[in-house]
Amino acid sequence: DAGVTQSPTHLIKTRGQQVTLRCSPISGHKSVSWYQQVLGQGPQFIFQYYEKEERGRGNFPDRFSARQFPNYSSELNVNALLLGDSALYLCASSSDRGTDTQYFGPGTRLTVL
Amino acid sequence: AQSVTQLGSHVSVSEGALVLLRCNYSSSVPPYLFWYVQYPNQGLQLLLKYTTGATLVKGINGFEAEFKKSETSFHLTKPSAHMSDAAEYFCAVSGTGGDKLIFGTGTRLQVFP
Repeated sequence: DAGVTQSPTHLIKTRGQQVTLRCSPISGHKSVSWYQQVLGQGPQFIFQYYEKEERGRGNFPDRFSARQFPNYSSELNVNALLLGDSALYLCASSSDRGTDTQYFGPGTRLTVL
Repeated sequence: AQSVTQLGSHVSVSEGALVLLRCNYSSSVPPYLFWYVQYPNQGLQLLLKYTTGATLVKGINGFEAEFKKSETSFHLTKPSAHMSDAAEYFCAVSGTGGDKLIFGTGTRLQVFP
């Protein structure tokens, strides 16, 4: 079975631009979470979606938004990009929002110039 | 509130030597604890997890960890290091409801021949 997939792999944007990152969960998984990993740090939780509804949000500004589609894939949008948004964005899926393990995709490396 | 502290941002061992990566957690609810490994330019791969039950957890690639409630610790060990173990290791905690993962800052493991 295919794992969690993310696109694009790499992305370069300039300050003030907007970006959309995409994630496809493991088949059968209904929950998707997004994390931001700044270089040299551990991942920080951004959002969790379950059955197309937002179930959790981390301490990120309103410039960050996300949604989950009927097929359980998800998009993360970031508006008005700042240099500090440069990071590896990780998507994780799990079959339930309960006790199940989160499986991570390879990430999207975003560079903001 | 939950948090994770990983002691030692860098650990170096010789091939064949014992690997010990330290993780202490703080949680107001019974924790779920995880160790993930990240190879360069890749996402996170689950090594092992503790939810309930047996406190000694065995994972992939010969790693294991022991949950010690009295010490609020979940240290990762491997009896004999291999060159392929060189990577970044993250300890993470979540509440019993699953939800978001709270990660430590990571420990970079170097293995010398």
